[in-house]
Amino acid sequence: EVQLLESGGGLVEPGGSLRLSCAASGFKFTNFAMAWVRQAPGKGLEWVSLIRVNGVEAYYADAVRGRFTISRDNSRDTLQLHLNRLTGDDTAVYYCVKDGISGSWDSWGRGTLVVVSA
Amino acid sequence: EIVLTQSPGTLSLSPGETATLSCRASESVTRFLAWYHQKPGQTPRLLIYGASNRATGIPARFSGSGSGTDFSLTITSLEPEDFAIYYCQQRSAWPATFGPGTRLEMK
Repeated sequence: EVQLLESGGGLVEPGGSLRLSCAASGFKFTNFAMAWVRQAPGKGLEWVSLIRVNGVEAYYADAVRGRFTISRDNSRDTLQLHLNRLTGDDTAVYYCVKDGISGSWDSWGRGTLVVVSA
Repeated sequence: EIVLTQSPGTLSLSPGETATLSCRASESVTRFLAWYHQKPGQTPRLLIYGASNRATGIPARFSGSGSGTDFSLTITSLEPEDFAIYYCQQRSAWPATFGPGTRLEMK
């Protein structure tokens, strides 16, 4: 069974930083791209970033490019997201997701909540 | 950026009825279109990928169709657990985008 367990969320002041982690299990991590999708309170889903298997090719939403950095540790089956220069618009539940077929995301973690507030 | 528009915004139906949800893309996404639903307080779940393929464990009452810019998700014989928010998503081009969602509520 695929399991994705996020951690690292919390309350951070505007301009601050945070590091999110996702521990993956139940599948061959090195075979799949991984991504982060976020959901602001009461709002819809927003893709944040994706990283390919090689850990080099990465893509970012315009809203976070230059502030967030995605990375993966294929030896530990973990995905990370470094969040810098945070603003209130970054307040959201951040989901770790596993790449599926045809650009879909077939497995989702429970999410970790990031709140940016003074 | 490819913009996905979903309609209707809210759909009110009764159990046993058929729901038809629409997703329109601002430009062609060929068949790189997925559907998810999200129940209150829960994580989104993949329903359909590649426009018309059911994900693992998804009942046959869920079906997707379309290609290019116009897609639909049909749910026949609605069950109480089907009432949720439904999102379409494309990854034909970066950035990947989601539609704003259709809320399927029980009448």
